[in-house]
Amino acid sequence: QITLKESGPTLVKPTQTLTLTCTFSGFSLSTSGVGVGWIRQPPGKALEWLALIYWNDDKRYSPSLKSRLTITKDTSKNQVVLTMTNMDPVDTATYYCAHIRDTAMVNYDPWGQGTLVTVSS
Amino acid sequence: QSALTQPRSVSGSPGQSVTISCTGTSSDVGGYNYVSWYQQHPGKAPKLMIYDVSKRPSGVPDRFSGSKSGNTASLTISGLQAEDEADYYCCSYAGSYTSYVVFGGGTKLTVL
Repeated sequence: QITLKESGPTLVKPTQTLTLTCTFSGFSLSTSGVGVGWIRQPPGKALEWLALIYWNDDKRYSPSLKSRLTITKDTSKNQVVLTMTNMDPVDTATYYCAHIRDTAMVNYDPWGQGTLVTVSS
Repeated sequence: QSALTQPRSVSGSPGQSVTISCTGTSSDVGGYNYVSWYQQHPGKAPKLMIYDVSKRPSGVPDRFSGSKSGNTASLTISGLQAEDEADYYCCSYAGSYTSYVVFGGGTKLTVL
């Protein structure tokens, strides 16, 4: 059974850097074809794709957020870390990590429960 | 990088069928057979319902089906049930010089 859980601060100040950790079980990021992605959802709004990382360290980023995002993996700890710099109130959202079931980049199954991050001074 | 276009809302009565459209461009939906659909109930994480345009993951009822024509993908739910009431999002591979992922704006399905 695959499970994922997001962790990190619930409140960050504008201009700060957000660091989120996705801790997973039931799969290994050293297995060919496996990946983990990050998606966020502002309150009452739509899903927005952020980034993904594959078993071979292939990384992809949202073009509009690429300059602010960094995704890394720690295979030994079964963790994926997403950092987002220069946080702004518009970045307030629930942040999800999800298992990618193949190399198509769009098939996220399952998802973590999500973690709400509020950006406010 | 623009979100895929979905209707804000659709509705149907129990037992009826509804179709949710997802319109993109030749750089995303129209260019690749990598479209997925997600169901999200209030306060819950999204759930994969359709992948690779028309494939169903194990455990998803065959009332859910997907298709694509040109730059528009569609999700059809037949035999509507009360528990189908949720938000639905499409998702597509996109790429020109670099590959990325784009979601639709979401559609609220109401079961009357």
